[in-house]
Amino acid sequence: DVKVTQSSRYLVKRTGEKVFLECVQDMDHENMFWYRQDPGLGLRLIYFSYDVKMKEKGDIPEGYSVSREKKERFSLILESASTNQTSMYLCASKFTTGVSYEQYFGPGTRLTVT
Amino acid sequence: AQKITQTQPGMFVQEKEAVTLDCTYDTSDPSYGLFWYKQPSSGEMIFLIYQGSYDQQNATEGRYSLNFQKARKSANLVISASQLGDSAMYFCAIGDGQNFVFGPGTRLSVLP
Repeated sequence: DVKVTQSSRYLVKRTGEKVFLECVQDMDHENMFWYRQDPGLGLRLIYFSYDVKMKEKGDIPEGYSVSREKKERFSLILESASTNQTSMYLCASKFTTGVSYEQYFGPGTRLTVT
Repeated sequence: AQKITQTQPGMFVQEKEAVTLDCTYDTSDPSYGLFWYKQPSSGEMIFLIYQGSYDQQNATEGRYSLNFQKARKSANLVISASQLGDSAMYFCAIGDGQNFVFGPGTRLSVLP
């Protein structure tokens, strides 16, 4: 079974803090993704990575950065957390080749910024 | 750019009946995949079914089937014989091999 794990299920941070969300997958997937999920908006792509040290901006990258130093680990960084970044954050991974490969998701991190 | 539209924010269905969740998409890519995911209240995203843009047959997985109408850019999910455990959010998504775009979701409630 593919396992995608995220460092925390729930996180509470203060405005202005630097926040790290970690994601680890154990299936040697090339592609990894960070989404945020808000009611009525579905999942919106923040960043994705198709290889170590490679990254691409998604639809809503502002206020976020990412790091992928090892193939199995993809980190999302909020440089200076703001209240409008309160959301559910989902990490996913998949094989790179072909359109038929589904994404495998982690359990999500519900982040509250106060 | 790719886009997914799910026009039903919420749906109700009686247990043991069939239900169709609508999904339309827009893309200029000739090759793409269409996916449906289920998200129960616990929050995990569960992959249900996949349809490739070149597949001639509609995809089926157990009680799930995908009604794919390429000319209409439609990829509706049909759940047969609904169960109480089917109550969840359902997301339609389109992928081109690397990038994925999700719709806003449909909340399905199965009534006993």
